[in-house]
Amino acid sequence: QKEVEQNSGPLSVPEGAIASLNCTYSDRGSQSFFWYRQYSGKSPELIMSIYSNGDKEDGRFTAQLNKASQYVSLLIRDSQPSDSATYLCAVNIGGGSNYKLTFGKGTLLTVNP
Amino acid sequence: SQTIHQWPATLVQPVGSPLSLECTVEGTSNPNLYWYRQAAGRGLQLLFYSVGIGQISSEVPQNLSASRPQDRQFILSSKKLLLSDSGFYLCAWTGLSDIQYFGAGTRLSVL
Repeated sequence: QKEVEQNSGPLSVPEGAIASLNCTYSDRGSQSFFWYRQYSGKSPELIMSIYSNGDKEDGRFTAQLNKASQYVSLLIRDSQPSDSATYLCAVNIGGGSNYKLTFGKGTLLTVNP
Repeated sequence: SQTIHQWPATLVQPVGSPLSLECTVEGTSNPNLYWYRQAAGRGLQLLFYSVGIGQISSEVPQNLSASRPQDRQFILSSKKLLLSDSGFYLCAWTGLSDIQYFGAGTRLSVL
């Protein structure tokens, strides 16, 4: 079964620290990878997309992709209390003309002031 | 710019009653459309997706159905709700890229 697994959490970090969120996926053919943030009671919002091996940085967020290890991660630098949310990893399992994303169950992050 | 509208925001329905949730997208044409359900404390479950008018793919056999009567309109329905249908229902769309953008969601409580 094609799956996306995230570290179960919850993850708690102090304000200003680096939060590291991890995700593994089962299908080597996957081509597109996404991180969404979901505040309690709200819908998911896209933080990062990444398609190639390596790092992609956007402000305090860095996504890292290693297709050989089937691993994608999200680093949040200088974590703020407003970063407290559930982070969802999503993968276009199978890639190509597959129109669907498979989501992990999410990791709850709490940033303590 | 593109926007996605989903309503109602909250809904309380008795067991056995019908359901109709609507989602519309503005500012784009021929989007791929998706319905997800998120049960309390659980991940996103893909229910249906559509790549065009009248084209519906079902991911999970259950008490729900979906229709796409117009290019930018996606409807989720049920003839008789079950307690297990409670959850947070999310509509999403993709355009030329495969990034999915979500509506605000409908929180459904079946009592």
